[in-house]
Amino acid sequence: GGIITQTPKFLIGQEGQKLTLKCQQNFNHDTMYWYRQDSGKGLRLIYYSITENDLQKGDLSEGYDASREKKSSFSLTVTSAQKNEMAVFLCASSIGRVEQYFGPGTRLTVL
Amino acid sequence: QEKVQQSPESLIVPEGAMVSLNCSFSDSASQSIWWYQQHPGKGPKALISIFSNGNKKEGRLTVYLNRASLHVSLHIKDSQPSDSAVYLCAVTVNTGNYKYVFGAGTRLKVIA
Repeated sequence: GGIITQTPKFLIGQEGQKLTLKCQQNFNHDTMYWYRQDSGKGLRLIYYSITENDLQKGDLSEGYDASREKKSSFSLTVTSAQKNEMAVFLCASSIGRVEQYFGPGTRLTVL
Repeated sequence: QEKVQQSPESLIVPEGAMVSLNCSFSDSASQSIWWYQQHPGKGPKALISIFSNGNKKEGRLTVYLNRASLHVSLHIKDSQPSDSAVYLCAVTVNTGNYKYVFGAGTRLKVIA
């Protein structure tokens, strides 16, 4: 079986800081996703990528950049962290429209 | 834009009870509907999916889809304390690419 690894597990940043989250998968899946999960809310799609070097914006892309330089990795950058922001960022991968496999998440706190 | 609503928001049941979770979606042309389970501090894990009208059974799980009423339900038979988790309904959007829209989830607690 495969696995999705997200680093770091916890990320504490300062207001206005640029922060980068990383995701690696060894499923050899074509499609990768970044979601944001706020407490008590569902997952909101930030960016997804259907192949290496492809990027597609989700509903929540403002304030974020993404990069898919290799099939196995997908990075997300918070361009300017907002004060008191707290959320979990989840990375996922899939082949087409079948089930998505998720990583454990990166927990962001902005002071 | 596709909207996915789940009910109830939370549910507490005794061990052994039948659990029923509901999900409504807005686009009848939506593709598959997936149910995911998320334990605290973990990423969601896919449980079961359905595409066609009707029902599908896998172990203790049964899912019912009615496209005419834009409704899908998940039923967990003989619930266990280990079933305590957040259950997320996800709908694949018919836009020619690979987008999913998730509901806010139902938080289930099964008491021994």
